[in-house]
Amino acid sequence: DAMVIQNPRYQVTQFGKPVTLSCSQTLNHNVMYWYQQKSSQAPKLLFHYYDKDFNNEADTPDNFQSRRPNTSFCFLDIRSPGLGDAAMYLCATSRDHAGDGQFFGPGTRLTVL
Amino acid sequence: AQRVTQPEKLLSVFKGAPVELKCNYSYSGSPELFWYVQYSRQRLQLLLRHISRESIKGFTADLNKGETSFHLKKPFAQEEDSAMYYCAAPETFGSGTKLNVKP
Repeated sequence: DAMVIQNPRYQVTQFGKPVTLSCSQTLNHNVMYWYQQKSSQAPKLLFHYYDKDFNNEADTPDNFQSRRPNTSFCFLDIRSPGLGDAAMYLCATSRDHAGDGQFFGPGTRLTVL
Repeated sequence: AQRVTQPEKLLSVFKGAPVELKCNYSYSGSPELFWYVQYSRQRLQLLLRHISRESIKGFTADLNKGETSFHLKKPFAQEEDSAMYYCAAPETFGSGTKLNVKP
């Protein structure tokens, strides 16, 4: 089954210790998204890639970076995690734009100690 | 900026009762609106998109530009409909409504 995979499902890191979350897709979609979702809140778009073009949301902190080395993979790097960065991180894809509908991964729950 | 509002955090209904999950939006240009559903322990998945005007699992949603709403409706709720529902436009999500269908 074509799908969106996120690894790891649970990640624990220490305050200030860099962490990388991984997303891969077998859908061959052009667009990959990263969302942050805190408890009882809406998923919040951090950034997305259309192919190799990176699009950052205006209010995404510099602490969050992303890489997309190829069509299938996209990474979320948090350079210096703070306690406020503890959240569920969702990866999603869409064929050409979000108006096509998005396919989501299961999410990675990040805990910051 | 686009905004999506889902005023109800929790909606409880009995099996067989009608369901309406509310969604209001503010959107510049022609709105692109979606409903996503998240069942327990599963990932978010697309339920409906407004442009297709389809019915999925008995759910429908009509775009009302005058009221800037895109409410999700089902005439007869089933227990398996219990889930978290998110309205989205299309990268801006509402905070979700938890639907609990009681037997």
